Amino acid sequence: DQQVKQNSPSLSVQEGRISILNCDYTNSMFDYFLWYKKYPAEGPTFLISISSIKDKNEDGRFTVFLNKSAKHLSLHIVPSQPGDSAVYFCAANPGSQGNLIFGKGTKLSVKP
Amino acid sequence: EAGVTQSPTHLIKTRGQQATLRCSPISGHTSVYWYQQALGLGLQFLLWYDEGEERNRGNFPPRFSGRQFPNYSSELNVNALELEDSALYLCASSFRDAGGYGYTFGSGTRLTVV
Repeated sequence: DQQVKQNSPSLSVQEGRISILNCDYTNSMFDYFLWYKKYPAEGPTFLISISSIKDKNEDGRFTVFLNKSAKHLSLHIVPSQPGDSAVYFCAANPGSQGNLIFGKGTKLSVKP
Repeated sequence: EAGVTQSPTHLIKTRGQQATLRCSPISGHTSVYWYQQALGLGLQFLLWYDEGEERNRGNFPPRFSGRQFPNYSSELNVNALELEDSALYLCASSFRDAGGYGYTFGSGTRLTVV
């Protein structure tokens, strides 16, 4: 039973356009959400996060939106660059258990 | 500052054997987390250690075990290897109760079971 779902395994976007990566979750008790980026042969690196008390968080070209009623969050990358090509993981913090719950990831390809 | 280091980078084992994977956290981090990334399954939580104690474990059989040493480094042991254990094993470290905010991942150990 997957608690964090990324239903699009891949996404292809033209350089300069917007990339939108989506994530759904099932547990309304999740209080913090994170996005990680992973290049081949490297570990995931933290990108951006959002608390459940907010509906938007922005950091440069990256913006995360949270819709609690729909249990949905999205990552917007504007403008997309070829160096953004990577696998993006959505993760939820379930509280005091220590671990994060990850989605399966979306592979983003930004074409020059 | 050195990041999270994992060894070995690659490991090939035969079904039924045991594998030992090692992780050195960032200096000052007391928590170590182990994740498995099997093909098509995303990152699955395995184990969380803090201050030498196992704090939480994911939905994996007991043949997946580990420990944390006094210097906060950790090892993951997988006994009676099965073909489906082939995966990338990632270690992350953080300060205690970082709740994932301060996770730093290593580059992983690619385990192949033949």
